[in-house]
Amino acid sequence: EIVLTQSPATLSLSPGERATLSCRASQSVSTYLAWYQQRPGQAPRLLIYDASNRATGIPARFSGSGSETDFTLTISSLEPEDLGVYYCQQRSNWPTSWSFGQGTKVEIK
Amino acid sequence: QVQLVESGGGVVQPGQSLRLSCTASGFTFSSEGFHWVRQSPGKGLEWLAHISYDGSNTYYADSVKGRFTISRDNSKNTLFLQMNSLRSEDTAVYYCAKEGSGSAWDFYYGMDVWGQGTKVTVS
Repeated sequence: EIVLTQSPATLSLSPGERATLSCRASQSVSTYLAWYQQRPGQAPRLLIYDASNRATGIPARFSGSGSETDFTLTISSLEPEDLGVYYCQQRSNWPTSWSFGQGTKVEIK
Repeated sequence: QVQLVESGGGVVQPGQSLRLSCTASGFTFSSEGFHWVRQSPGKGLEWLAHISYDGSNTYYADSVKGRFTISRDNSKNTLFLQMNSLRSEDTAVYYCAKEGSGSAWDFYYGMDVWGQGTKVTVS
């Protein structure tokens, strides 16, 4: 079973600042990694797929990078509506399974 | 528009069963794979189960294997999660999510459409 570990647990930044969120896999997942945003009281929303591709309608300030075991989600300039919890998620083929990281909470000062 | 709507949640006693449904609209249901994901109160997301487009392949998290069954009815655009032998730790909001798809065979497209969730309380 592949375990995803996200850091930091909480990130508190001011509007306009850069946010860097990390996700580390216990073994290689190639680029089979996605990022989701969950705003308070809402369902998750896909932000990034295959490690570095923005989903439809996602603003350009969101970007993803990484491969194998180390991944990063960057929000280049925080907006107030970016508050919420961000999750990374992987799919593995052998054995076939999916899993989420424990999440990083982004707070806006 | 593309939409998933869950139903069937409620309050049940430990040991009882419940069946969740997820009705899809706005896309070709029978061409897509689906997941069930849950979120316990104040906790993170937990992947539970996946079913392929035609129902021929299913996969489960260890935490629910043998108790939960994912299935689908492509004639009714509906996904199901049968939950048996429920425990207090199964208390959560349950989401259905569509597996993303695209033209690149070696991409992972993520879970691109989510329902609003249905709440299950085991008490």
